[in-house]
Amino acid sequence: GQQLNQSPQSMFIQEGEDVSMNCTSSSIFNTWLWYKQDPGEGPVLLIALYKAGELTSNGRLTAQFGITRKDSFLNISASIPSDVGIYFCAGLVNYGQNFVFGPGTRLSVLP
Amino acid sequence: ETGVTQSPTHLIKTRGQQVTLRCSSQSGHNTVSWYQQALGQGPQFIFQYYREEENGRGNFPPRFSGLQFPNYSSELNVNALELDDSALYLCASSLGNTDTQYFGPGTRLTVL
Repeated sequence: GQQLNQSPQSMFIQEGEDVSMNCTSSSIFNTWLWYKQDPGEGPVLLIALYKAGELTSNGRLTAQFGITRKDSFLNISASIPSDVGIYFCAGLVNYGQNFVFGPGTRLSVLP
Repeated sequence: ETGVTQSPTHLIKTRGQQVTLRCSSQSGHNTVSWYQQALGQGPQFIFQYYREEENGRGNFPPRFSGLQFPNYSSELNVNALELDDSALYLCASSLGNTDTQYFGPGTRLTVL
């Protein structure tokens, strides 16, 4: 079945720095979602992407739907302590199928 | 607009027991998907209910079953609990079976 890989697995950055993470697959996806999860809570939707090449922003967050449809990228600018958490990508192949989640990127922000 | 709610928040069971978890979908949403999230991993799809019918199932055994009610709330039932069933169980609702999914806070199940 489809699998998603996320990199890096974890990252430590200084407050104020920019962050980049990505999600890749050997399969083509038609929808990409990015979620953030805090410990013990459900994932919260950050950005949804529906079209190859699409670039969408949500505040300090920007995500892109890769042209090949096999990858997506999430950037966070000027990181702050509340950005700490696990970031998951999720992809949907076709209508009638379910979303597949990546293993997550754990972000730590140092003051 | 009411978000997705789940109950209970925490649950402790022993091996072999049965458990029922509940989910109320976001107002206006007719689809509920259930996920199992083991510690340190991404959510794994269990199944989805769309307008009270099962609409897709992941790689989980038949002892994982579900139900969706006319008000689109849903239950996840797990029989003959095993130690490996310990996880955070998440439900997500959406408008339509492929639209963006919004998650509840989850139920933390511990099997001893």
